[in-house]
Amino acid sequence: DIQMTQSPSSLSASVGDRVTISCRASQSISSYLNWYQQKLGKAPKLLIYAASSLQSGVPSRFSGSGSGTDFTLTISPLQPEDFATYYCQQSYSTSTWTFGQGTKVEFK
Amino acid sequence: QVQLVESGGGLVKPGGSLRLSCAASGFTFSDYYMSWIRQAPGKGLEWVSYISSSGSTIYYADSVKGRLTISRDNAKNSLYLQLNSLRAEDTAVYYCARARHYYYYYMDVWGKGTTVTVSS
Repeated sequence: DIQMTQSPSSLSASVGDRVTISCRASQSISSYLNWYQQKLGKAPKLLIYAASSLQSGVPSRFSGSGSGTDFTLTISPLQPEDFATYYCQQSYSTSTWTFGQGTKVEFK
Repeated sequence: QVQLVESGGGLVKPGGSLRLSCAASGFTFSDYYMSWIRQAPGKGLEWVSYISSSGSTIYYADSVKGRLTISRDNAKNSLYLQLNSLRAEDTAVYYCARARHYYYYYMDVWGKGTTVTVSS
């Protein structure tokens, strides 16, 4: 199975900062990488699909990049409503989809 | 508007069974793949299963294979998850999600979730 590893597991940042979250796949997944945001007690929300495509209605301060095994989610500038946990997810393997363990963005 | 509403969660004893439902509205249900994802208390997201638009293709995570069964009724715009032989580690919030499947696969609409607690 394809393993997804996010780093860091958590980070502290301030409003206005540029935040980057990394996601590494255990094998090449081309651009089959999605990013989700989850706020406490809420359902996840799709931010980015196909590594770099912004989901409709998502602010342009969110961006995704990468292909193969290494991917990045960037938030710039960070806004108060962006404090949440972020997950990457691969859909390259049609038989098994996998999430990363999550990255919690906290207020510094 | 586009909406998914899960139901059927509750408290069940180890070894017991439960059937979760997900009611879809606001889109043509039969055009979309659907998926179940769960989240144990204080833990991350775990993909559980997905089913193709016709129901002919189904995949499960290894952790649930043989115990959980996904199904759908396109006439009723509903998705189901039958949970059998439940264990404490199946305790989680279960989300249903709509899955886009045109070249790239991604889950663009999520329900609010239903909670399953397995405890004696």
